[in-house]
Amino acid sequence: KQEVTQIPAALSVPEGENLVLNCSFTDSAIYNLQWFRQDPGKGLTSLLLIQSSQREQTSGRLNASLDKSSGRSTLYIAASQPGDSATYLCAAQPGEYGNKLVFGAGTILRVKS
Amino acid sequence: ETGVTQTPRHLVMGMTNKKSLKCEQHLGHNAMYWYKQSAKKPLELMFVYNFKEQTENNSVPSRFSPECPNSSHLFLHLHTLQPEDSALYLCASSHTTAPEAFFGQGTRLTVV
Repeated sequence: KQEVTQIPAALSVPEGENLVLNCSFTDSAIYNLQWFRQDPGKGLTSLLLIQSSQREQTSGRLNASLDKSSGRSTLYIAASQPGDSATYLCAAQPGEYGNKLVFGAGTILRVKS
Repeated sequence: ETGVTQTPRHLVMGMTNKKSLKCEQHLGHNAMYWYKQSAKKPLELMFVYNFKEQTENNSVPSRFSPECPNSSHLFLHLHTLQPEDSALYLCASSHTTAPEAFFGQGTRLTVV
């Protein structure tokens, strides 16, 4: 059974700092890995998706990497801003068909101005 | 606007009530999902529909009854719920040939 763990559970940083959020999964046979952002009481916004054949994806200040062999993914946020404050979730898709996702518990990020 | 719309956004219901949650997607997807997000717990998959057919029920109690009349609409019918069912219920959609999932804003359900 696939399990996803995110470290740290919470992170508080000053504005402008570069930071790394970690995600690990127990079964390396994933089809893809997706990073989401969730603002309090709201739904999920897709940030980046890395397919199993890829090693990384970039969007603006965000860069996500995937190492299937070690069961790890990282989300790198450059030059953090107060508007980046949110919960960041990673989710692994265990199979090719159906796109169901197994989620981690998330990292709560606070960027202080 | 995510392309996935959920209504209502907030719902308070008694344990003897019957209510329904609605989800609609305008993205041309053929798969839809219900997830539950409880406090301090990861999102849990509840149901999966592919081409209007239920393909997964993740051991969800029968007091939750899903319905998918077409590929664009998904409902979650609720009856005789318990206070521990209070949570954020999220709908998602995707295309079976494209991996990215898109989520709605959720319905915050409180059972009193």
